Amino acid sequence: IAGITQAPTSQILAAGRRMTLRCTQDMRHNAMYWYRQDLGLGLRLIHYSNTAGTTGKGEVPDGYSVSRANTDDFPLTLASAVPSQTSVYFCASRNTGGSTDTQYFGPGTRLTVL
Amino acid sequence: GQNIDQPTEMTATEGAIVQINCTYQTSGFNGLFWYQQHAGEAPTFLSYNVLDGLEEKGRFSSFLSRSKGYSYLLLKELQMKDSASYLCAAMDSNYQLIWGAGTKLIIKP
Repeated sequence: IAGITQAPTSQILAAGRRMTLRCTQDMRHNAMYWYRQDLGLGLRLIHYSNTAGTTGKGEVPDGYSVSRANTDDFPLTLASAVPSQTSVYFCASRNTGGSTDTQYFGPGTRLTVL
Repeated sequence: GQNIDQPTEMTATEGAIVQINCTYQTSGFNGLFWYQQHAGEAPTFLSYNVLDGLEEKGRFSSFLSRSKGYSYLLLKELQMKDSASYLCAAMDSNYQLIWGAGTKLIIKP
C-alpha cells in the first residue's frame, strides 16, 4: 500500500441500510479527515481525527459516525442511509509534524442511496 | 463566518496564461492551499502559501496577500491536460481546511 486507500470504490445502497466506508493510510499521518463532495459545493468536512483515539465533528456530521482505533484506519459509518447522503466521499490525511500541513486524499468512494 | 470565493468557471486557450483568483475569510489563518482535481478523481496538492508573496513551481505559481485575504493561482503555457477544477482552501486556526467550490478551467485548442 502506498498513500491512502478507500473501499469500496462505489456503492449503491438502499435507504435505511447501514454502510461503512473504509479508509487506510500507510504514511503514519496523525490527522485524518472525511469529506463529502457534491456538485457546485466545496468539500465539506464530516468528521476528523487529530490523533488515534480522538475524533471531532466537522461541518456536516449528522447521520455519520467515525472511529479511530489506530493510526492507519479511519472508517466512516452511515447508521441508516438516506438519499441526501448520495455523494462522493473522500478520506484525507495530514502529517501534523510536517512543514506544510498538506492534506493528501484517497481516491474516493461514490455512494448512491436510493 | 468563514468563506472562500473563487470563480465557478474559466476558459483559456492552449499555450496561454490564466490567473484564478480566490478570496478568503477565516477564523485565524495557517496557510492557503491550491489543489487540482480532474473529473472523477481525487484532489491533488499543487501549492501552499503562508507568507505574502509569490511561490513558483514550474508552470504553476501561487500568490498570497494576507492583508487582503487574497490569493491567485497562475498557470503558464497551458496544456490540454490542465483542464480540471482548481480548488482554493484556507487553513483556519484549528488547522481545518475551509474549501472553495472550485474553479472549472476549460482549455481550448
